[in-house]
Amino acid sequence: DAKTTQPNSMESNEEEPVHLPCNHSTISGTDYIHWYRQLPSQGPEYVIHGLTSNVNNRMASLAIAEDRKSSTLILHRATLRDAAVYYCILRDPQSSGDKLTFGTGTRLAVRP
Amino acid sequence: SAVISQKPSRDICQRGTSLTIQCQVDSQVTMMFWYRQQPGQSLTLIATANQGSEATYESGFVIDKFPISRPNLTFSTLTVSNMSPEDSSIYLCSARPGPSAWTGKTLLSTDTQYFGPGTRLTVL
Repeated sequence: DAKTTQPNSMESNEEEPVHLPCNHSTISGTDYIHWYRQLPSQGPEYVIHGLTSNVNNRMASLAIAEDRKSSTLILHRATLRDAAVYYCILRDPQSSGDKLTFGTGTRLAVRP
Repeated sequence: SAVISQKPSRDICQRGTSLTIQCQVDSQVTMMFWYRQQPGQSLTLIATANQGSEATYESGFVIDKFPISRPNLTFSTLTVSNMSPEDSSIYLCSARPGPSAWTGKTLLSTDTQYFGPGTRLTVL
C-alpha cells in the first residue's frame, strides 16, 4: 500500500471548521483515499472515501487535489465529540483487497 | 452501522496462558479481520479470517501464536497463545459486509470496514 503522511496532532476550537491534511505523493491511479477515525476507547469508524472528485457526506467533506497527491478531510463545525485520531488510508481494491494499512494518524483535540 | 461485539471486553492474564477472543457480527459479512493495537500505537493487521479455510497471516504473525477460527459468516475467534507481557494490547476485529447486508433498517456499505470495540488484554 502507498504511504500517507499526516501531522501528528492538531487543535481546533469547538464549532469552527477543521482541515486535516494528508499527503500521498506515491498514490497510484487505482488507490482510493479512505478516512477513518478512532474515538477514545473505541474501534475505528469509517468517515469518508473518494477516488478523484470531492466527496461530501453527513460527517465530513473530502477535498482531493487535482494531482491526487494530497487530500484534506474537512469537518465543517467541530464538536467535542470529534476529538479523535484521524487516519488517512490508501486502498487499492485490486491489489490490497480489503486490507487497511493504518499509519500513525492525526490526533485532533477540540477546545470548548 | 453494523454491530460487532467482542468478548471479553478486557482481561488480565498470567504469562504462559492463552486467551480466546470472540467476535460476533450481526449480519453476514464476506471478510473478517483481526488487528492489534499496542499501547499508544496505531493498528496493525494480524490476519484475515477466511470462512471455511485457514486464515491468511501478515508478516510477523504466525498461526501457532495467533490461531484463528471462522466457522461461519458471522463469527470468528482469535486466540493469543502462550502469552507474554509483550502481548498486552488491544485486539480488534473488523468486518466488511457483503452485498445486500443489512443491520436493522440500514443497508451496509461494502466499501466500509466496521470495527468492534476491542478487547483490552493485559499480561502479567
